[in-house]
Parts: sequence; C-alpha cells; structure tokens
Amino acid sequence: GAGVSQSPSNKVTEKGKDVELRCDPISGHTALYWYRQSLGQGLEFLIYFQGNSAPDKSGLPSDRFSAERTGGSVSTLTIQRTQQEDSAVYLCASTLRGRSETQYFGPGTRLLVL
Amino acid sequence: AQKITQTQPGMFVQEKEAVTLDCTYDTSDPSYGLFWYKQPSSGEMIFLIYQGSYDQQNATEGRYSLNFQKARKSANLVISASQLGDSAMYFCAMYKGSYGKLTFGQGTILTVHP
Repeated sequence: GAGVSQSPSNKVTEKGKDVELRCDPISGHTALYWYRQSLGQGLEFLIYFQGNSAPDKSGLPSDRFSAERTGGSVSTLTIQRTQQEDSAVYLCASTLRGRSETQYFGPGTRLLVL
Repeated sequence: AQKITQTQPGMFVQEKEAVTLDCTYDTSDPSYGLFWYKQPSSGEMIFLIYQGSYDQQNATEGRYSLNFQKARKSANLVISASQLGDSAMYFCAMYKGSYGKLTFGQGTILTVHP
C-alpha cells in the first residue's frame, strides 16, 4: 500500500520477554519517527531517524528500548525484558525529509504485557 | 521546554453545527509548526491541518480551519457542519526547530450527536 505500515497490529507478551515491532514507512520518505501512546501519558516521542544521520534517541524511556533502521527504510523497535508499564500503542510516522512536513502515521502496534 | 495544552477532555456537538476545539501552546522558539490530528476509535492518526508560525493567514482544509492567534499562543481547531463521522479523539501537536519531533496535547474527545 501507499501508507505507513506496522506489524504486528497486536502483540501480547509475558513480562520479561523481548519484543520487536516493525515499521515500513512511505516509499521515499527519509525521516521516520516512533511514538508511544499510553493511558495517562498521552502520545510521547521515542526516537527519530533522518537519512544516514545519527538517530535522536532522546525520547527512549530506558536502555531496554532500542531501534534501528536498515537501508534507510524499514525500522524495528525492540523492547527487551518487557514490563507491564510498556503496554501501549506504538506508532510510527514518516515524512519526506523531516522538518516542517506533515507526519503520516501508521496504524500502530498494540502491545500488552501480562 | 515546549508544551501543548488541550483543556477540554470532552466536547459534544449537534450534527451540522460548528465546534471549536481549544489548543494553547508554550514555546520560546520563533520557528514552530502546529498540527491537528484526528484519531478515530480504530486508532489511526489522521492528519487534518497544519499552521506554520510564520504563516500570515489561518490555515483551512475543507470543513477544518485553524484559528491561529500567535500573541495568545492559541491554535484552536474549528470544525464546521459537524458530521457523525467526526466523532473521535482530536490531538493538537507542535514541532519546534529544525526537525519535526512532535509534542502532543492530551487530546479532546469529540462526540457528534444526531
């Protein structure tokens, strides 16, 4: 499709397990963002990738969270040793070059940690 | 630090009437952009409208308009002729500076009554 895609759409895991969330941005978009939407916290920025530049990881809540972007396209957000407070919707967005452009969001991955 | 405030947790409007959703922001950066996104119950974030801090005129997109009052630091969304399909959560968001990391408000749930 032409939009941002994310997989899986839903993920249920046990506390302590690792999870990987995938984002496939719009073709040709060089900027990619991860956000987290949780009850009581609203939407919060996690990490930003722009081309080959070093990512902005300033929003990652702990060192259990990491993300990579391979080949300037697909991104994977990894959460190690998941905790119940990691339960949230993880949203990915992309723009053509970053900066002042509209961010187009994917449908999100709903993560539930039991 | 930048901050976005949406003071209306919930709003109700009659079908075909207009409704205003409030958003105030706080930033000391002269260059910023303001967005409104709609999030239906299905969860996807849908871009509605954008206003740049240097734009002289209020942004409009179909039934959506942004009432930008720079001195008051407000960026209210006006939806004209409300439709039942407008029932959703609405987020105001702001980016600052050289790239588009977004800060979101807490959201307003809009319910349109027939």
